[in-house]
Amino acid sequence: AQRVTQPEKLLSVFKGAPVELKCNYSYSGSPELFWYVQYSRQRLQLLLRHISRESIKGFTADLNKGETSFHLKKPFAQEEDSAMYYCALSGGSYIPTFGRGTSLIVHP
Amino acid sequence: DTGVSQDPRHKITKRGQNVTFRCDPISEHNRLYWYRQTLGQGPEFLTYFQNEAQLEKSRLLSDRFSAERPKGSFSTLEIQRTEQGDSAMYLCASSRTGISYNEQFFGPGTRLTVL
Repeated sequence: AQRVTQPEKLLSVFKGAPVELKCNYSYSGSPELFWYVQYSRQRLQLLLRHISRESIKGFTADLNKGETSFHLKKPFAQEEDSAMYYCALSGGSYIPTFGRGTSLIVHP
Repeated sequence: DTGVSQDPRHKITKRGQNVTFRCDPISEHNRLYWYRQTLGQGPEFLTYFQNEAQLEKSRLLSDRFSAERPKGSFSTLEIQRTEQGDSAMYLCASSRTGISYNEQFFGPGTRLTVL
């Protein structure tokens, strides 16, 4: 079975502060991990995936297999980063499991 | 707009009625997924198709739920004898095989309210 845990429902920071959205997973095989984002009144969209090891909009996420984590980080939050963020895991069956989401609010 | 589209965007129905939702995926995508999302939760996988074949349907919530993708293009999700607990956002997503990752592109969703 695969499971994704996002322990924080809400994360509130001020503009310019560092941000870390936590994601822990449970999966026995080699996972594919993703972060999806949903801005207000927009559809869910992919932010980044672990295999590409890229930085998107200043966000990065590193897969830590030892800690079974895939935390999303940004050194300096911007107001436009305010959104719902979902961590997702896809195993070999291509059936993804999503976490419950973390609402990020960046105050001016 | 070449993204995933869903119709209708909102549906209000009375308990016991049947409802059907439609999803049109991105044209070159051969995989199509249905999810349900309730308040405060992430998308919950229901079923998916590869072309016209329904490869996983064990997670449909009950036998009142069914999905089809007759020609491997658009898909429909039907809920029979709706219950108040079926009220939720129903999301569709599509993706393409033959690539090294499973990025899904989501539609705007259909919000169902059962009175």
